[in-house]
Amino acid sequence: NAGVTQTPKFRVLKTGQSMTLLCAQDMNHEYMYWYRQDPGMGLRLIHYSVGEGTTAKGEVPDGYNVSRLKKQNFLLGLESAAPSQTSVYFCASSPFRHEQFFGPGTRLTVL
Amino acid sequence: AQSVTQPDIHITVSEGASLELRCNYSYGATPYLFWYVQSPGQGLQLLLKYFSGDTLVQGIKGFEAEFKRSQSSFNLRKPSVHWSDAAEYFCAVGGSQGNLIFGKGTKLSVKP
Repeated sequence: NAGVTQTPKFRVLKTGQSMTLLCAQDMNHEYMYWYRQDPGMGLRLIHYSVGEGTTAKGEVPDGYNVSRLKKQNFLLGLESAAPSQTSVYFCASSPFRHEQFFGPGTRLTVL
Repeated sequence: AQSVTQPDIHITVSEGASLELRCNYSYGATPYLFWYVQSPGQGLQLLLKYFSGDTLVQGIKGFEAEFKRSQSSFNLRKPSVHWSDAAEYFCAVGGSQGNLIFGKGTKLSVKP
């Protein structure tokens, strides 16, 4: 039982490049979330999903898109990366509202 | 709007000393409250949670927290800190979207 996994662990992009972050969970959870963590800011919600095929915007959605085609996967896309998107990205899943299990994070640097 | 305040950015305690990390929240109804711990370069691990019932909640690693509605607080405590407790601690409240609203964190350093 791997829990929540994230791919890749590290990535460096140039401004304007695109990429997709993959989150996978093997706990059959309905809810999945993407957060970003910046120094002194705590974690802020980007997008979330309450089930397969559904997505919704969180607190800081601009510049990101998501998809949840399969229940176990939640993808976060950056279409045109900007230096302001340099951050650590965490995925989380939840069997019901609120109690969340976190992945190890993806450290993204945009030059 | 829901919010969480952790007044202390950085705390240093001696190994073996007691610890209390402060957390205040803003929420209209009975909140769902959480404490998470993050070691450097790692993800977040749930220490404990409060949904309802007994206001003193026991968690993993010897931590406990007390929900005080009158003070809108959910402070984290440990009677005797170990060097391995050095980490960053986040308090969170359940948000209206099923998400968690986090405080900005308190970094704990432990002196030998």
